[in-house]
Amino acid sequence: KNEVEQSPQNLTAQEGEFITINCSYSVGISALHWLQQHPGGGIVSLFMLSSGKKKHGRLIATINIQEKHSSLHITASHPRDSAVYICAVWKETSGSRLTFGEGTQLTVNP
Amino acid sequence: EPEVTQTPSHQVTQMGQEVILRCVPISNHLYFYWYRQILGQKVEFLVSFYNNEISEKSEIFDDQFSVERPDGSNFTLKIRSTKLEDSAMYFCANPKNRMNTEAFFGQGTRLTVV
Repeated sequence: KNEVEQSPQNLTAQEGEFITINCSYSVGISALHWLQQHPGGGIVSLFMLSSGKKKHGRLIATINIQEKHSSLHITASHPRDSAVYICAVWKETSGSRLTFGEGTQLTVNP
Repeated sequence: EPEVTQTPSHQVTQMGQEVILRCVPISNHLYFYWYRQILGQKVEFLVSFYNNEISEKSEIFDDQFSVERPDGSNFTLKIRSTKLEDSAMYFCANPKNRMNTEAFFGQGTRLTVV
C-alpha cells in the first residue's frame, strides 16, 4: 500500500467549477507539498504546509495533521489549470527525501 | 523567483552509453536531490547530496549512478552503461534547507535510452 494516496486519479471538470483533490498519508510527516506538473513534465511547487490552510490566488490548500489528510481546492477552474497535481510529504523518519503520491490528472474543459 | 536550471532538457542515448545530467543550483542553496519519474509512474527519490558528499540514497541508486559537483557549482548525475529501463524524467531539486522548505525543482531532463 502506498504511504501517500491521492484521489481521484483522474478528474474532468467544466470551466468555472470548484475542484477538490485529496491526499491521505499513513505515516508521520513534518510537512506536505502540493506540486503541479504540466504536460511538458516540469514540476512547480504550489504550497508547502505543516498545519492549517494556505491560499494563493484561486488555489487553497488545507491540512489536518490528526486525520493525516490534505486537500487542494481550485476555485473558478480554467483550462490552463489542466495538469497533474502531486502530493508529496517529508516523512518524520525518512531523512530529507520527499515521498510522492501517484498524482491526479486534472482536465478542465472550456 | 529563483530557478534551478537543468540541462539537457531531452537526451536520447544508445543502450550501454554513459550520460551526464546537469543541474545549475540557486546561489546559497546547498542541498541537492535527484528524483526520477518513469513514464506513467510516480516520482521516486534517487539521492541527496550536501557538503560535497551523498547524505542519503535509495535502493535504486546503485553502482550505475554517481553524483558530484565537479566545479563546485554545477551538480551532476552520471548514469553509466544505460539500460532501456533508465528511460525516465530526471529532476534535480535544490532547497535552501534540509527539510520543511520549498523544494525548487528543475524543469527536468527527459532521458530516452534506445
